[in-house]
Parts: sequence; C-alpha cells; structure tokens
Amino acid sequence: GAGVSQSPSNKVTEKGKDVELRCDPISGHTALYWYRQSLGQGLEFLIYFQGNSAPDKSGLPSDRFSAERTGGSVSTLTIQRTQQEDSAVYLCASSGLLGGRETQYFGPGTRLLVL
Amino acid sequence: KQEVTQIPAALSVPEGENLVLNCSFTDSAIYNLQWFRQDPGKGLTSLLLIQSSQREQTSGRLNASLDKSSGRSTLYIAASQPGDSATYLCAVPTGTASKLTFGTGTRLQVTL
Repeated sequence: GAGVSQSPSNKVTEKGKDVELRCDPISGHTALYWYRQSLGQGLEFLIYFQGNSAPDKSGLPSDRFSAERTGGSVSTLTIQRTQQEDSAVYLCASSGLLGGRETQYFGPGTRLLVL
Repeated sequence: KQEVTQIPAALSVPEGENLVLNCSFTDSAIYNLQWFRQDPGKGLTSLLLIQSSQREQTSGRLNASLDKSSGRSTLYIAASQPGDSATYLCAVPTGTASKLTFGTGTRLQVTL
C-alpha cells in the first residue's frame, strides 16, 4: 500500500500478558517513530529508528517496553507483562520528503485495551 | 523541555462560521510547525506544514500562520462545514531525531 499500515487495529489483552504491535512504514522511508496516545496524556513520543538502529528511546515508559526494526522496514513494539495503564492508541509514523522537507506520515494506530 | 498548548480545548460552531484555533509553544527554536487532523478512531492526517522561514501557509479553506518570536501559531478555517468536525493537533519537531511534540488538541464540532 501507499501509506503506513499497522496491525492489529485493535487488541484486547489481559493484565500480565505480552503483546506485539506491528508497523509497516512507507517503502523507502528510513526514519520510523512510535507514539502513544492515551486519555489524559495526549500524544507522546516513544522511540525513534533510523534504519535498524534506535538512537532515541527516551520516550519508552518502562523496561517492559521494547521495539525493534528489521531490514530497515517493519518495526515491532513489544509490551511485556501489560498493565492497565498501558491501554492507549499506539501510533507509528515514517518520515519522508514532502515538498523537499522531511515530514512524518502516520498509520491508523493500534488500539490496545488491557483488562 | 518543549511544551505545546492549544486553546480552546473544545469548540462548537454552526456551519458557515470562520474560526481560529490557537497553538503556543515554549521553545521558539523550531524549524517548522505542523497542523494535523484526527478523526475519531483514525490516525493523523497532516494538514499544513509551515517552515520557520514562512509566516503562513494555505490549503483550500485552511490557513496557518506562524510567529516564532512569540511562540504562537494559528489555524484559520474559513466557512466551516460539518465535515471539518475532528480533533486538530499542532506539533513541533524536537531534538536531532525530529520527534514531534504535540499540543493538547482542539476538538471541533461544526453543527448544521
């Protein structure tokens, strides 16, 4: 497809279980970002990839959160031992040129509900 | 630390009205500012991106202005339509990674 895709679109899990969220960026985009949008917190940065490396992980809220990117393309965000406060929409964006300037294109998000 | 604030938090207007959404940021050392639209249950759609060298950017009925020195941006929507109902977010890039710092959002409802 032409845009950023994310899967699953919705995920309901029980507290304590692990979840994996997937992001397929736009082909050729080397930069990839994960953000989280939760009630009362707004949209906040989690992690940034340039190629397969993550030079900025400063937004990951705890060591239960990790992410990887392979082949400079698909990225997976993993949350271990989920907690109810992890419930949020997780958005992925990849970055490319628009009018000669870098801009971020967002996927539709994964809605995570931890019961 | 960059902080981005938007007012009002929510706005309801009748169809046809012109309206202004406000965005303010604490660190004026930005190189661009972006306005996004978010529909319920959907991702973000980029509306306008203003470079720091520009004062305004227009797309259709939308006009965004940027005043770096005062740390403010406005999004002007002309002749509002019910289809404009959505949450509008402004965002500025932060740090060498250009990660975006988002505003708190304005939830707009345009009524018939």
